[in-house]
Amino acid sequence: QKEVEQDPGPLSVPEGAIVSLNCTYSNSAFQYFMWYRQYSRKGPELLMYTYSSGNKEDGRFTAQVDKSSKYISLFIRDSQPSDSATYLCAMTVYGGATNKLIFGTGTLLAVQP
Amino acid sequence: SAVISQKPSRDICQRGTSLTIQCQVDSQVTMMFWYRQQPGQSLTLIATANQGSEATYESGFVIDKFPISRPNLTFSTLTVSNMSPEDSSIYLCSVVSGARGYTFGSGTRLTVV
Repeated sequence: QKEVEQDPGPLSVPEGAIVSLNCTYSNSAFQYFMWYRQYSRKGPELLMYTYSSGNKEDGRFTAQVDKSSKYISLFIRDSQPSDSATYLCAMTVYGGATNKLIFGTGTLLAVQP
Repeated sequence: SAVISQKPSRDICQRGTSLTIQCQVDSQVTMMFWYRQQPGQSLTLIATANQGSEATYESGFVIDKFPISRPNLTFSTLTVSNMSPEDSSIYLCSVVSGARGYTFGSGTRLTVV
């Protein structure tokens, strides 16, 4: 069993739709959760990070963590064609530089105009 | 956040040869990380490179296959040695970049024929 599971998609939605991207994990020691966005032929860029259970909002993006269910989500409101990319969840035991990130496989999202 | 320049951006190599990938950061960093991103698979950490000491390799990766240099606090190289088609992948370097977490280079897309 992988430590982090993520549906690879692809996920295709019309412009303006609400998108829900999800990851599950098995290591209960994870406490620092991140979402990265990766455009084609580019490196991943950090979108959001959270430390604990609950919601965190940043513009059209909301990150949600449910540690009791070992489940994290990223919601995108009013999706735009420019949101078309691969979204990767990542997590680590601690937040410091000495702890490696464990990534999901990524979900490919296409927002149709 | 830090800016990472990685080169080459892509290369096609013959099996049995070696390729050295360079990663230059615009600020001094203690640790640099090398990842591999294979199609349909998670970003996987190859090794952590500290300046002035031997790199730390993850399970499944060995120094003979992936030698790393870290001559100063802004630069690192990863060599993929004695390449086979199974080494075809995207290789990314990464650093911890303040509050923005981990920053990635644009990656090197390697094809081994």
